[in-house]
Amino acid sequence: EIVLTQSPGTLSLSPGERATLSCRASQSVTRSSSYLAWYQQKPGQAPRLLIYGASSRATGIPDRFSGSGSGTDFTLTISRLEPEDFAVYYCQQYGRSPTTFGQGTKVEIK
Amino acid sequence: EVFLVESGGGLVQPGGSLRLSCAASGFMFSSYWMTWVRQAPGKGLEWVATIKEDGSDKYYVDSVKGRFTISRDNAKNTLYVQMNSLRAEDTALYYCARAREEYDFWVGYFPGFFDYWGQGTLVTVSS
Repeated sequence: EIVLTQSPGTLSLSPGERATLSCRASQSVTRSSSYLAWYQQKPGQAPRLLIYGASSRATGIPDRFSGSGSGTDFTLTISRLEPEDFAVYYCQQYGRSPTTFGQGTKVEIK
Repeated sequence: EVFLVESGGGLVQPGGSLRLSCAASGFMFSSYWMTWVRQAPGKGLEWVATIKEDGSDKYYVDSVKGRFTISRDNAKNTLYVQMNSLRAEDTALYYCARAREEYDFWVGYFPGFFDYWGQGTLVTVSS
C-alpha cells in the first residue's frame, strides 16, 4: 500500500498570502500519468475535488489553485488565500490499488 | 447537476448489520464506477469499497473484506453497501462518491479520482 505523507500538518496564514502544501508518496504514483488528486474539506461538508492528474483543475475550481509534481513529490499551491479557502486539504493517489489518502493539512487563519 | 444522497445510517450494536444506500441523479449512473469513503469522527478520509459500472468488479479495503459487500442497481440509480459484523472502529460518516475511470497502457481501465460526493450518512457502532 502506498503511504501518502502530507506536510505541514497545520499551516497558519493570512488572507492574501500564498499557501504551499506538500504530499509525498512512499512509492511513485506516476506511470503514463500522475495519478494524484487533491480535495478540500470544510467543517460539516463533504470533500470537494480540486485537482486531478497532479495538475488539472476540476470543473469550477478557481485558477488560484494549482497542482504540480510527479513521481513521489507533489504540491498544491493556493496563490492568494481567500477567506473561503481556510479548510483541510487531502491528497489521494489512485495509481496503485488500494487507493489511499494523506492525513490532511489544515490551513487556518493566522 | 449531479446529486448523491446517502441514507441508512444509524446506531447499531457491535456485531450488528446495516445497509447504506446512495441515490444518484443528474448523470448516467450505469456509466460510472462508484465508491464508498468513510471518515471517522475528527479523522481523515479512508477509502472503503469501489464497484465497476456493471457491478462485475468490486474492490475493498482489507479491514472490511468479508464483512462489507458493495452492490448497485443501475435500474434504480442506487449504490449500496451491506455492512455485517460491525465493529466500533467502523464508526464513521460514510460518503458515496462517483469515480472517474482512468486508463493506463500497462493496467487497462481502473477507477480513478472521485469527482462528486454525497453529504454522508453517519454510522455509529456502540453498545
